[in-house]
Amino acid sequence: SAVISQKPSRDICQRGTSLTIQCQVDSQVTMMFWYRQQPGQSLTLIATANQGSEATYESGFVIDKFPISRPNLTFSTLTVSNMSPEDSSIYLCSLGGDYGYTFGSGTRLTVV
Amino acid sequence: GESVGLHLPTLSVQEGDNSIINCAYSNSASDYFIWYKQESGKGPQFIIDIRSNMDKRQGQRVTVLLNKTVKHLSLQIAATQPGDSAVYFCAETFSNSGYALNFGKGTSLLVTP
Repeated sequence: SAVISQKPSRDICQRGTSLTIQCQVDSQVTMMFWYRQQPGQSLTLIATANQGSEATYESGFVIDKFPISRPNLTFSTLTVSNMSPEDSSIYLCSLGGDYGYTFGSGTRLTVV
Repeated sequence: GESVGLHLPTLSVQEGDNSIINCAYSNSASDYFIWYKQESGKGPQFIIDIRSNMDKRQGQRVTVLLNKTVKHLSLQIAATQPGDSAVYFCAETFSNSGYALNFGKGTSLLVTP
């Protein structure tokens, strides 16, 4: 399976600001997924990111709030925009089945 | 997907005992299932998977059972060790190529000496 490097591992941000989370993969992968894990809860899919096309967002998540970039087959970013304390969560990127459904180590975001 | 609660259920076991963690999944069309272990401050770690054409699969100290009739998965951990303390999630998907995972609620396993 592929290896994902995700950063930052954690950050504390002021409300109203934005944070961009990066995931770098050591292999070329077609699909990447972004999940959110709110405190004490399970993982929820935010969007699916294919290289060369717009990301597909799940119900409850919109591009203006969570813009995603996928400039090549080894890299993706998720931006959490105009943050509020409700955005405090762990954000994780993941790969599909061809790459072992591997997860990044997560970004623990606290919005104050 | 499944709804999630505010608090994860907790299973407390003594070191050396066997643990059984249960999960109900929602999509009868799902044909691939994974158990993950998540330790504090880390991303989910793949433990074991099973396809819908199987009802049991064994790994090292772990066994996954699948009951498609009632849409139920279980993870059995033999001779539980303190290092097994973590949150365990089941996840389902339709086919193992290119589809996102739908996660269950999760169970917190606490192993006491």
